[in-house]
Amino acid sequence: QLQLQESGPGLVKPSETLSLTCTVSGGSISSRSHYWGWIRQSPGKGLEWIASIYYSGNTYYNPSLESRVTISVDTSKNQFSLTLRSVTAADTAVYYCARRAEMRTVMGSIYYFDYWGQGTLVTVSS
Amino acid sequence: DMQLAQSPSSLSASVGDRVTITCRASQNIDNYLNWYQHKLGRAPKLLIYAASHLQSGVPSRFSGSGSGTEFTLTISSLQPEDFATYYCQQTFSVPRTFGQGTRVEIK
Repeated sequence: QLQLQESGPGLVKPSETLSLTCTVSGGSISSRSHYWGWIRQSPGKGLEWIASIYYSGNTYYNPSLESRVTISVDTSKNQFSLTLRSVTAADTAVYYCARRAEMRTVMGSIYYFDYWGQGTLVTVSS
Repeated sequence: DMQLAQSPSSLSASVGDRVTITCRASQNIDNYLNWYQHKLGRAPKLLIYAASHLQSGVPSRFSGSGSGTEFTLTISSLQPEDFATYYCQQTFSVPRTFGQGTRVEIK
């Protein structure tokens, strides 16, 4: 059974950098069929997709966060990571990592997140 | 960004009730629409992908329908474990966006 586990500091100071890692177990991050992504949920708000990455390093980002975000992958450790720079209180959220699967159709591929981590709360505060 | 509007934002229902949640997209998204269940403190769970495909292991009381701009998630007979928040998500365009959620509460 595939499992994803987020790790990282629970408290980050304003203007500093948030760094999180997602460790994948029960499967390979080098799967050719999947991307890996980060999603967050701010207190009292809905879900927000942040970024996704392929094992080869191909990435795509939410344009609203792209200037501050880097997603990376370490296939040797079966991990992928998120870095968010210059954080503010608005970045306080539960951060989830997830696996993106796809269903191929004649019209194209339909993507969905089929496995998620439990989430980790990151608070931005001095 | 593609906007998804869910309705209602919350509902109260009893065990055994039929529940329907609607998700409306601001533009045509064909069937690039997924549904997730989220319980507090737990990982979100994929229920339906590509508008109507039931994820493996999900009970058959869950079903999805729709195409274009209007989609529905139906729970045919609500069970105690179904009380949660439900989100739709589109993957037609970047950024991938979610609806604001529908909270299903016990009546």
